[in-house]
Amino acid sequence: AQKITQTQPGMFVQEKEAVTLDCTYDTSDQSYGLFWYKQPSSGEMIFLIYQGSYDEQNATEGRYSLNFQKARKSANLVISASQLGDSAMYFCAMRGAYGGSQGNLIFGKGTKLSVKP
Amino acid sequence: DTEVTQTPKHLVMGMTNKKSLKCEQHMGHRAMYWYKQKAKKPPELMFVYSYEKLSINESVPSRFSPECPNSSLLNLHLHALQPEDSALYLCASSHGNTEGSYEQYFGPGTRLTVT
Repeated sequence: AQKITQTQPGMFVQEKEAVTLDCTYDTSDQSYGLFWYKQPSSGEMIFLIYQGSYDEQNATEGRYSLNFQKARKSANLVISASQLGDSAMYFCAMRGAYGGSQGNLIFGKGTKLSVKP
Repeated sequence: DTEVTQTPKHLVMGMTNKKSLKCEQHMGHRAMYWYKQKAKKPPELMFVYSYEKLSINESVPSRFSPECPNSSLLNLHLHALQPEDSALYLCASSHGNTEGSYEQYFGPGTRLTVT
């Protein structure tokens, strides 16, 4: 069975500092995709970054980078230079069992990040 | 343009009402999704439409009825809901026919309250 685990219910970070949000996953598939989404209090899920299982390099998107360690089955999100607007819930997700181009997403329980001024 | 729109933003309905949630995207995506999200929980998949055909139904009660009139629109018809159906309903879309990440883009959601 596929599973995503986020062990940090809540995190605090000082503005302008970097923060790492943990994510581990479990799957027996050889090909899979990992995603991070941000959900502010307004409710919208905002796509941040994607890592494919065969990608040799860690994904980066602006201030977001994904620390992908395949052997450890971890896909941690690193946010550099935190901003007050980064305060939100962050979900790690994996392409689900249906796979393919119509695949569902399996989400972790999320980590609530609070950025302190 | 990576925008998915949803209407209404908020909806309060009684248990005997019939209402519909609407979702629209103009990104040429061929897969569209409905998720249900309870407070402080991750989203849970309800339905998937691929090329305007229902491809996945996650054992959702029949009081929820999805409809995909065309490749840009997705509706969720609601009838005889229960108070426990109160939640944030999220619509998403993704490319349906390409390899790659085909990440899902979400709308802002409809906050539904059943009284």
